[in-house]
Amino acid sequence: QQQVKQSPQSLIVQKGGISIINCAYENTAFDYFPWYQQFPGKGPALLIAIRPDVSEKKEGRFTISFNKSAKQFSLHIMDSQPGDSATYFCAVFNQAGTALIFGKGTTLSVSS
Amino acid sequence: DTEVTQTPKHLVMGMTNKKSLKCEQHMGHRAMYWYKQKAKKPPELMFVYSYEKLSINESVPSRFSPECPNSSLLNLHLHALQPEDSALYLCASSQAGTQREKLFFGSGTQLSVL
Repeated sequence: QQQVKQSPQSLIVQKGGISIINCAYENTAFDYFPWYQQFPGKGPALLIAIRPDVSEKKEGRFTISFNKSAKQFSLHIMDSQPGDSATYFCAVFNQAGTALIFGKGTTLSVSS
Repeated sequence: DTEVTQTPKHLVMGMTNKKSLKCEQHMGHRAMYWYKQKAKKPPELMFVYSYEKLSINESVPSRFSPECPNSSLLNLHLHALQPEDSALYLCASSQAGTQREKLFFGSGTQLSVL
């Protein structure tokens, strides 16, 4: 069974602070590592993704850092805002490369 | 149009009922998915259709029956469900083949089985 280990389970950050969520994976068919963001009552939406030809990718306040040798990638949210309060899922492709398998999720609360 | 539309948004059904969930996309995607999500849990893959053919069934009980009538539509037929089947059912679509990385999700159908 494909394993994707995500931590922490929940996170409380002050407005303006940095939120960091980590993900570790076993094997995957494709080197593509996305983070999805889900608000209550909505489906997940792709936030940012990385391919390991680079070790870091930044889009606005969101950055993915990737460590291929450790099989880990992380999401950093700079200047966290109350509107960032949501559940975040990392994902990797299954070994057949046919579908995404999600981590258990991290519930982020940004206090104002 | 980058939307995946799911209907109904909410559904309450008894254990003897038959109902269907519907999903539609007009992005030209040839891969479509059903995921099941319990509260405070990640989405769990149920079925994958690629070019309107069922390519993955993640050992889902036969009381769930998927159907892909054409490249834009995906249905999930429900029959004789159990209370533990209550969950958010998410439809997603993507490009098929080597471009399938980015999934577009609908907002889901919140299903309650009484």
